[in-house]
Amino acid sequence: DTGVSQNPRHKITKRGQNVTFRCDPISEHNRLYWYRQTLGQGPEFLTYFQNEAQLEKSRLLSDRFSAERPKGSFSTLEIQRTEQGDSAMYLCASSPPGEIFEAFFGQGTRLTVV
Amino acid sequence: GQSLEQPSEVTAVEGAIVQINCTYQTSGFYGLSWYQQHDGGAPTFLSYNALDGLEETGRFSSFLSRSDSYGYLLLQELQMKDSASYFCAVIGNTGKLIFGQGTTLQVKP
Repeated sequence: DTGVSQNPRHKITKRGQNVTFRCDPISEHNRLYWYRQTLGQGPEFLTYFQNEAQLEKSRLLSDRFSAERPKGSFSTLEIQRTEQGDSAMYLCASSPPGEIFEAFFGQGTRLTVV
Repeated sequence: GQSLEQPSEVTAVEGAIVQINCTYQTSGFYGLSWYQQHDGGAPTFLSYNALDGLEETGRFSSFLSRSDSYGYLLLQELQMKDSASYFCAVIGNTGKLIFGQGTTLQVKP
């Protein structure tokens, strides 16, 4: 098992463009989380899935953000009409069934909006 | 809603013991977890407490008091490699994992 994989690792985009990130969780993990982290801050919850169902989305998240997890395997996070304030590290994490306290994180995708 | 408070920075010397506190407010409560994150790295799981009391994992221990909505992470025999950020995280009744703002631990020789 290679752990949680996120692609791309880095993304530089111009303001107003759309970006999409991919997360491949550890096999058999049914929970998948997306977080955003800026320097000196803790991971900020964005959304999470149990299998293919999106159970919750942060109220702080604008409608420009959307996430999917078709077939309960990999997940994508899309940001439309990016803004400079979207620049951050986007982290994906997964948890196995019955282990709600332990999340395994990927290395993240660093987004820079210029 | 859910909120967590922990000190922003802690400094200690190599070989010492340090305690990082965490207080939380949450709607429903399943447990408290602790994560470590080195600069440039991903958070990694250290321990969790679902019930009151102390859990020990090597040099690290974690404590929970549900009645006080309080927990701490205890690091013993500090090593230089323990310099990192430490986050407490709660799971409430919505099932999501929510992190605190983190405590930066600096270990000095």
